[in-house]
Amino acid sequence: DAKTTQPNSMESNEEEPVHLPCNHSTISGTDYIHWYRQLPSQGPEYVIHGLTSNVNNRMASLAIAEDRKSSTLILHRATLRDAAVYYCIRMYNNNDMRFGAGTRLTVKP
Amino acid sequence: EAGVAQSPRYKIIEKRQSVAFWCNPISGHATLYWYQQILGQGPKLLIQFQNNGVVDDSQLPKDRFSAERLKGVDSTLKIQPAKLEDSAVYLCASSSPETGNTEAFFGQGTRLTVV
Repeated sequence: DAKTTQPNSMESNEEEPVHLPCNHSTISGTDYIHWYRQLPSQGPEYVIHGLTSNVNNRMASLAIAEDRKSSTLILHRATLRDAAVYYCIRMYNNNDMRFGAGTRLTVKP
Repeated sequence: EAGVAQSPRYKIIEKRQSVAFWCNPISGHATLYWYQQILGQGPKLLIQFQNNGVVDDSQLPKDRFSAERLKGVDSTLKIQPAKLEDSAVYLCASSSPETGNTEAFFGQGTRLTVV
């Protein structure tokens, strides 16, 4: 039970922004939102996390809705190396890191 | 900084045999996870340790799977006896509770094929 809902797949053009949505309508006040991505034949890697406020790092931005029931991972300029499966995870008290099926992002040249 | 080390990288066994996987987490990381990833699916959490204690093993099939982390560092995951449906990649990850477990680091995984 991943407790989040994501589209199965999305496509993007290279060098364009990508907005990956995640629904977590049953989120509680202490749940953090984490994003990981998994490149082919590799283990998942951390992308970004947040609680209430929007967050930015060198890889991406995370926009969290005011009611916290949804969030969006933003890749500002997609590259071919960003093609991966992106997982949105709801973590209670920073434990219980359970993955869903994720969104498979395809980046077209 | 060395990453999470797992061995072996690949293993092929016959059904009903036993197998063990080893994980060495990043130095100082008290939290250690084991995941099972079947082809085409997201990783499934099997067990989470903090030091040598189990935090969550609710999804571990305890009739055939076992895991231990005796000294709070390395960990082993064992399957006995293996079934065909255990064919998957087994991933180990570690993180630090001191930073709120906010970034878990994953190993390359062990690909198990049961024939």
